[in-house]
Amino acid sequence: SQQGEEDPQALSIQEGENATMNCSYKTSINNLQWYRQNSGRGLVHLILIRSNEREKHSGRLRVTLDTSKKSSSLLITASRAADTASYFCATPTSGSARQLTFGSGTQLTVLP
Amino acid sequence: SAVISQKPSRDICQRGTSLTIQCQVDSQVTMMFWYRQQPGQSLTLIATANQGSEATYESGFVIDKFPISRPNLTFSTLTVSNMSPEDSSIYLCSVGWGSQENEQFFGPGTRLTVL
Repeated sequence: SQQGEEDPQALSIQEGENATMNCSYKTSINNLQWYRQNSGRGLVHLILIRSNEREKHSGRLRVTLDTSKKSSSLLITASRAADTASYFCATPTSGSARQLTFGSGTQLTVLP
Repeated sequence: SAVISQKPSRDICQRGTSLTIQCQVDSQVTMMFWYRQQPGQSLTLIATANQGSEATYESGFVIDKFPISRPNLTFSTLTVSNMSPEDSSIYLCSVGWGSQENEQFFGPGTRLTVL
């Protein structure tokens, strides 16, 4: 079964607004990653946050991690039409050093 | 980072036929992964392919249906055998990266439609 569940499943906002996506997971992790997938294409790695970090920034992206609640959020500030994509969180698969388990994903649509 | 290419980018196939998908990486990597993404769904790991050993398949996936080759450290193939419409998906290869972390770099995917 999938490790991560994301909400919302779909999000539609206007250009310039902020978009927040949430991810919950079930087991203990040492890091959590976020990926973006443009329509039907490969995934692009966005950011990795370690279990001893609470917040991390990269450009217009801000990721938080709350290990006590087993949840993470991805905030995209000042969104652009080009941010339209599916966003997935991913956590290390239990029992595997390198495998990842992906969440259900959030489809973000940014309207011009 | 790694640059990964996949061939074909898309294909439309008839029921009962087989399709082999190629994944080429621009540098040597130990671990390669094959995923399936059914329409509107997240990614599901099919198998892990290490050079010099048999691929390790996840629950629900078998070698007879999804044979994998890994002849060297830069190349792998996934075959989808005896296809049915339920095999219509995007198939993605990825490589593990980083000495300590488990980031993955993905190929552009192969969109398969089975009629």
